[in-house]
Amino acid sequence: KAGVTQTPRYLIKTRGQQVTLSCSPISGHRSVSWYQQTPGQGLQFLFEYFSETQRNKGNFPGRFSGRQFSNSRSEMNVSTLELGDSALYLCASSLEGAVDTGELFFGEGSRLTVL
Amino acid sequence: GESVGLHLPTLSVQEGDNSIINCAYSNSASDYFIWYKQESGKGPQFIIDIRSNMDKRQGQRVTVLLNKTVKHLSLQIAATQPGDSAVYFCAENHFNQGGKLIFGQGTELSVKP
Repeated sequence: KAGVTQTPRYLIKTRGQQVTLSCSPISGHRSVSWYQQTPGQGLQFLFEYFSETQRNKGNFPGRFSGRQFSNSRSEMNVSTLELGDSALYLCASSLEGAVDTGELFFGEGSRLTVL
Repeated sequence: GESVGLHLPTLSVQEGDNSIINCAYSNSASDYFIWYKQESGKGPQFIIDIRSNMDKRQGQRVTVLLNKTVKHLSLQIAATQPGDSAVYFCAENHFNQGGKLIFGQGTELSVKP
C-alpha cells in the first residue's frame, strides 16, 4: 500500500510569506504527526492530530499551525516566515496514534527554504 | 527537561565489522524507545523498538539494548554493509504522549568498503 505522501517536496519562500504543507497518511491511519528537522536542532516535534483533533503540541510559536481533515489528511501552515524556518518538515502517520502499538511511518518530507 | 542525546556524532566502520551506536536519555518515565535510520533525501525509517520492560531485543542483523539504570540505549548492527551508511536516531516516547517522539541528535554511520 502507498506510504505517507507529502507535498510539495521542495519550495522556496521569502521572509514574511506564509506556506502550507500537505500530508496524506497511509490508508487507515488516523494519527498524523509533524516534525521539523534542521541541522542544528535535529528532529523536533511540532504537533499531532488524531481524528481531526490536535492531541499534542510541541514548543513552537503560534505561527506554526495545523489541521486534520475527516479523511485523515493533514496540513500544516507557517505564517510570517523567518529565515530560521528553513528546514525539512516531516509528516508521520500511525494507526491509532500511540506509537508503541505500531510503527510511526514517515514521509520523505517537504524541504522549505526561506530567503 | 526531556532530552535524548547521542554520545558520538559520527562513526566510521569497515564493511563486515559490527557497529555500535549509543544513546543516552534523561526521562526515566519514557517507556518506549525506537531506532530510526535516515538516508540522504529520505524520511526516517523504523529499524527496531524496545519497551522499557525489556533489556534486549533482536531483529535481523540488529540488536537494541536498554539499560534503564544508567538510561542508556544502544543499537548494534552486525556485519555492517555499505547500505547501512546513514544517520541513525534514537527516539523515546511516553505512553500518554501519543505520537510525540523525542529524538536524539543522530549519529552518522559511514561504512568503508
